[in-house]
Amino acid sequence: GAVVSQHPSRVICKSGTSVKIECRSLDFQATTMFWYRQFPKKSLMLMATSNEGSKATYEQGVEKDKFLINHASLTLSTLTVTSAHPEDSSFYICSARDDMGPISYEQYFGPGTRLTVT
Amino acid sequence: SQKIEQNSEALNIQEGKTATLTCNYTNYSPAYLQWYRQDPGRGPVFLLLIRENEKEKRKERLKVTFDTTLKQSLFHITASQPADSATYLCALQNSGNTPLVFGKGTRLSVIA
Repeated sequence: GAVVSQHPSRVICKSGTSVKIECRSLDFQATTMFWYRQFPKKSLMLMATSNEGSKATYEQGVEKDKFLINHASLTLSTLTVTSAHPEDSSFYICSARDDMGPISYEQYFGPGTRLTVT
Repeated sequence: SQKIEQNSEALNIQEGKTATLTCNYTNYSPAYLQWYRQDPGRGPVFLLLIRENEKEKRKERLKVTFDTTLKQSLFHITASQPADSATYLCALQNSGNTPLVFGKGTRLSVIA
């Protein structure tokens, strides 16, 4: 089945530093990937839609200069949290759509990355 | 405003019983409604998808219904087991190309 990986699974960083999270589709190509954020006991909130070869589309209220998204290939999207602050601490989850799969609307989720900013 | 509501934050049931979870939505016209399972510290795992023109979908011990008039989906787990304990998320999609929008989830605990 379609597998999406994320790296790292956990990261602790100091306030003011930047952190990069990778999202890879392992056995399929994904023109479109999505980045979500989840706070404890809350729903997944869509942050942005990542499009291969073009700029990401950010949801209202999400700072594009703070959360940099790069989708340089059909199997890799990265999210960089710049100048991280404690309020950026959260669980970040990516998902990918299998463009060539039989069901175009299916999204496959990564295992998530727990970011803690101290 | 648009809302997706899952009936309760937590649901406890006894092993062997049927668990029923509810998802209600307002100001959406979803083409697809999906149910996911999420375990603590993990990403969601796809369970079932039902289209707007479908009333019911089954997969093993799982059953989903979709009533576009009531704007409601019911998710049933029959013969529940402790291993079914997890958070279950309802998600809507207006079309195949739009992102999923999630409810807050219901945390199910199946007690042996």
